[in-house]
Amino acid sequence: EVQLLESGGGLVQPGGSLRLSCAASGFTFSSYAMSWVRQAPGKGLEWVSSISDTSIGTYHADSVKGRFTISRDNSKNTLYLQMNSLRAEDTAVYYCARPMPQPPREFDYWGLGTLVTVSS
Amino acid sequence: DIHMTQSPSTLSASVGDRVTITCRASQSISSSLAWYQQKPGKAPNLLIYKPSGLDSGVPSRFSGSGSGTEFTLTISSLQPDDFATYYCQHYNSYSWTFGQGTKVEIE
Repeated sequence: EVQLLESGGGLVQPGGSLRLSCAASGFTFSSYAMSWVRQAPGKGLEWVSSISDTSIGTYHADSVKGRFTISRDNSKNTLYLQMNSLRAEDTAVYYCARPMPQPPREFDYWGLGTLVTVSS
Repeated sequence: DIHMTQSPSTLSASVGDRVTITCRASQSISSSLAWYQQKPGKAPNLLIYKPSGLDSGVPSRFSGSGSGTEFTLTISSLQPDDFATYYCQHYNSYSWTFGQGTKVEIE
């Protein structure tokens, strides 16, 4: 059974940093690209970042480019999101999700999410 | 950038109703579209991909259609478990875009 389990969320002050983790199990992690998708309170879904299976390619939404960095450790079956220079508008539940290889590259598995709150 | 617009934003319906949600793309996206269902406090759940393939375990009352710029998600007979928010999603060149969501409420 595929499982994705996020951790690392919490309360952080504006301008601060946080690192999210996503532990994957139940599939060959190193064979799949992975992504982060967030959802602000009461709002819709927003894609944040994605990384290829071998980490050669990393991609970020314009809203987080230059502040967030996605990475992975295939030996630990773990995905990361390093978030720096956090802003109030980054407050959201952050989901780890697995995109399929072919368009529309739908996300077939999602984690439960971890809440990040940026506030003073 | 391609924008995805869903309509309506909110839909009130009764159990047994046939429900249709529309997702329009700002330019042609061929058949590259997926649909998700999300219940409060839960992660989204994949329903349909590309744009009429039903994901494993999804009831057959759900169906998707469309191509180009206009796509629809149809629930043939609304069930109590279907009251939720629905999102469409498109992918293009390492960028994923979601519609703003359609909330299906009990009338």
